[in-house]
Amino acid sequence: NAGVMQNPRHLVRRRGQEARLRCSPMKGHSHVYWYRQLPEEGLKFMVYLQKENIIDESGMPKERFSAEFPKEGPSILRIQQVVRGDSAAYFCASSPPTGSRSPLHFGNGTRLTVT
Amino acid sequence: QKEVEQNSGPLSVPEGAIASLNCTYSDRGSQSFFWYRQYSGKSPELIMSIYSNGDKEDGRFTAQLNKASQYVSLLIRDSQPSDSATYLCAVRIGNEKLTFGTGTRLTIIP
Repeated sequence: NAGVMQNPRHLVRRRGQEARLRCSPMKGHSHVYWYRQLPEEGLKFMVYLQKENIIDESGMPKERFSAEFPKEGPSILRIQQVVRGDSAAYFCASSPPTGSRSPLHFGNGTRLTVT
Repeated sequence: QKEVEQNSGPLSVPEGAIASLNCTYSDRGSQSFFWYRQYSGKSPELIMSIYSNGDKEDGRFTAQLNKASQYVSLLIRDSQPSDSATYLCAVRIGNEKLTFGTGTRLTIIP
């Protein structure tokens, strides 16, 4: 019974490169959320997606960041032209489409380091 | 005013005592409330969820909700060193995103 799968676990990028983070939700879950966590800080919401649809992207930076959740395959968080400030842990979470009482189940995260 | 506020701690509690973690939220439309535990370098894991005013108990954990005061708390009885972690309060309005507090770092002293 696989949980939320994120890969890679660790990602090192040089400034200016692109980072692609992948997330496969739990079986039966159709809602995906991305959060960012800086060291010693809380979880900051970035984006909420359903299959082929962005529901809420109010937490996404206006530039360089994008997210998708295609009909087939994992959700992708893409960061273009990374800068040192993008270094953080990025967590994906999923939930079933059953309303507000559904908790989020988190993956193990991707630790992005920009050198 | 932050949407979800928690005392960042650190909160130190002797082993075997009760640890009390508090959280306030600003939006009266909030409907669902969750407590997550996060060990250093790990992902958040769900401990408790609560939706109605009052107490909800699960083993050594009790969640308390007071919607009139916009307050939710987590009590940990018989605290163990393995309870040392950061505890995140999360709030949800309808089917929207979970909004997290910054977390309270709890240390259980043997």
